[in-house]
Amino acid sequence: NAGVTQTPKFQVLKTGQSMTLQCAQDMNHEYMSWYRQDPGMGLRLIHYSVGAGITDQGEVPNGYNVSRSTTEDFPLRLLSAAPSQTSVYFCASSGTPEKETQYFGPGTRLLVL
Amino acid sequence: LAKTTQPISMDSYEGQEVNITCSHNNIATNDYITWYQQFPSQGPRFIIQGYKTKVTNEVASLFIPADRKSSTLSLPRVSLSDTAVYYCLVGVGWDNFNKFYFGSGTKLNVKP
Repeated sequence: NAGVTQTPKFQVLKTGQSMTLQCAQDMNHEYMSWYRQDPGMGLRLIHYSVGAGITDQGEVPNGYNVSRSTTEDFPLRLLSAAPSQTSVYFCASSGTPEKETQYFGPGTRLLVL
Repeated sequence: LAKTTQPISMDSYEGQEVNITCSHNNIATNDYITWYQQFPSQGPRFIIQGYKTKVTNEVASLFIPADRKSSTLSLPRVSLSDTAVYYCLVGVGWDNFNKFYFGSGTKLNVKP
């Protein structure tokens, strides 16, 4: 199993540009989520999904869109990048209710100029 | 939303036992307590999870008092490789998944 994979590892954007951060998992997990982590801070939940076709907002959803067309993939879209979105983005997935732990990807480091 | 409070940082020496305490005064009846470890430039990694009393696995122990308003992560005989940030989370994975709150974590610095 590859676990949770994220691409790209690093990205530089100009203000106003849009892009999609990719996340995929091969563990057949129903739950997937996106977090952002600013320097020296904890993780904040952006959006999450409880299964294909179902998404909901987390703590800091503004400026981001998500969709979940398959169990495996959960892309995060930045609609119009702003310097305040400079951060490290982590994708995570969770399995059954009996195993509530989250498995995290390696992260995408995003710099918005 | 069951928020948590942890010390910002802790120092220790190799071979010592380290105890990190987390306060969660508003924990709900169905909430579990989960601890994660994060190394620089990596995603968090699950360490241990518990509901009450004591849980032990191959890397750590988790002590939870009867009122469940706090919990203590115990790392036996730490090494330099245990230098990381440790997060305490409170929440139920299934129904309250969106209510996981990471907080700022505790930065553990293990010295030789």
